[in-house]
Amino acid sequence: NAGVTQTPKFRILKIGQSMTLQCAQDMNHNYMYWYRQDPGMGLKLIYYSVGAGITDKGEVPNGYNVSRSTTEDFPLRLELAAPSQTSVYFCASNPRDRENSPLHFGNGTRLTVT
Amino acid sequence: AQSVTQLGSHVSVSEGALVLLRCNYSSSVPPYLFWYVQYPNQGLQLLLKYTSAATLVKGINGFEAEFKKSETSFHLTKPSAHMSDAAEYFCAVTLYGQNFVFGPGTRLSVLP
Repeated sequence: NAGVTQTPKFRILKIGQSMTLQCAQDMNHNYMYWYRQDPGMGLKLIYYSVGAGITDKGEVPNGYNVSRSTTEDFPLRLELAAPSQTSVYFCASNPRDRENSPLHFGNGTRLTVT
Repeated sequence: AQSVTQLGSHVSVSEGALVLLRCNYSSSVPPYLFWYVQYPNQGLQLLLKYTSAATLVKGINGFEAEFKKSETSFHLTKPSAHMSDAAEYFCAVTLYGQNFVFGPGTRLSVLP
């Protein structure tokens, strides 16, 4: 059981380039999330999805886009990368079978924009 | 709106000493509370969660946390630190299980 899988693990982008961070889960979880982690700031929610075809903005959505065409996949798109998007990105999923169901995290993608 | 504070961005303890990592929350109603641990270059792993069945919650690796409603706290403790406990620890809250709010994290160092 792979859980939540993120690719790539590392990426360096030049300013203005675009890329897609991939996230897939094999647990049939309806809820999926993208967070960014910056030192001393904890995790900030970028976007989330409550099911295929449904997405919504989180706390810091500017500069990002998402789609959710299947239950398994939740890619995060960066258009026109900026240095402020240098961060570690985590994808998470949640079965939401009860209100205190925990998040299940991938191992992250470390992105540097120069 | 919910918020989480973790007192001390970095805590150092000696091996075998008590570990105490602090978490306080602000919420209009009692939230669900979680502690996660992050080892270097890894994602976050669930350490324990508050379920309202008991105020003292036991988690993995000998950690436990006590929910104190009057103090709006959910501090994490372990009686005896081990070198393998060195990691970053995050407290998180959610009201209804949809959106989670994380604290800024506390980095735990364990000295030999």
